[in-house]
Amino acid sequence: QQQVKQSPQSLIVQKGGIPIINCAYENTAFDYFPWYQQFPGKGPALLIAIRPDVSEKKEGRFTISFNKSAKQFSLHIMDSQPGDSATYFCAASRPQGAQKLVFGQGTRLTINP
Amino acid sequence: ETGVTQSPTHLIKTRGQQVTLRCSSQSGHNTVSWYQQALGQGPQFIFQYYREEENGRGNFPPRFSGLQFPNYSSELNVNALELDDSALYLCASSLASGGAYEQYFGPGTRLTVT
Repeated sequence: QQQVKQSPQSLIVQKGGIPIINCAYENTAFDYFPWYQQFPGKGPALLIAIRPDVSEKKEGRFTISFNKSAKQFSLHIMDSQPGDSATYFCAASRPQGAQKLVFGQGTRLTINP
Repeated sequence: ETGVTQSPTHLIKTRGQQVTLRCSSQSGHNTVSWYQQALGQGPQFIFQYYREEENGRGNFPPRFSGLQFPNYSSELNVNALELDDSALYLCASSLASGGAYEQYFGPGTRLTVT
């Protein structure tokens, strides 16, 4: 019940395309869903996060779509650029106790020029 | 505003040795979490410190221990190192204010156990 499943494992998109990364969770106690971007040799950087009381959140070129009934959420990157090439992780956290982040397995995104 | 910093950047140790990793939290943050990231995997929660006390622990053995200091900086200690401990160790700081909160990661310490 603590797992977050992420897909696809890897994704190649042409510049300007809209990569979509999906995550699914089981634990309905989760109430915070962030996305992180990680470049090789660096720590994960927080991109955008959503709570289950909204179905969509946009920040710049990044959009999270959230489907509470399906227990799924996804990241869309608009007008993707080669500089967006990185590994993306979804995560989930619940409010009780230590608010640990449970991460998905990651998606290696490549944006071709 | 100073971000999360970690030291050292890289470390090579021999199986059976002990290691201490250090983390300085972001200015204004009072909570530190440690994660282990194996190659090609997502980070795994080790434990969290709040007000100098352990506030929760993941599925890691007792040879993984930690400390948080009054200035909110933190240490991760690993005893009796095993080959499988080779990973990127990440520290994340946050401000506990009720409910889930944003965690900001440092650059990590790459530990290699030979």
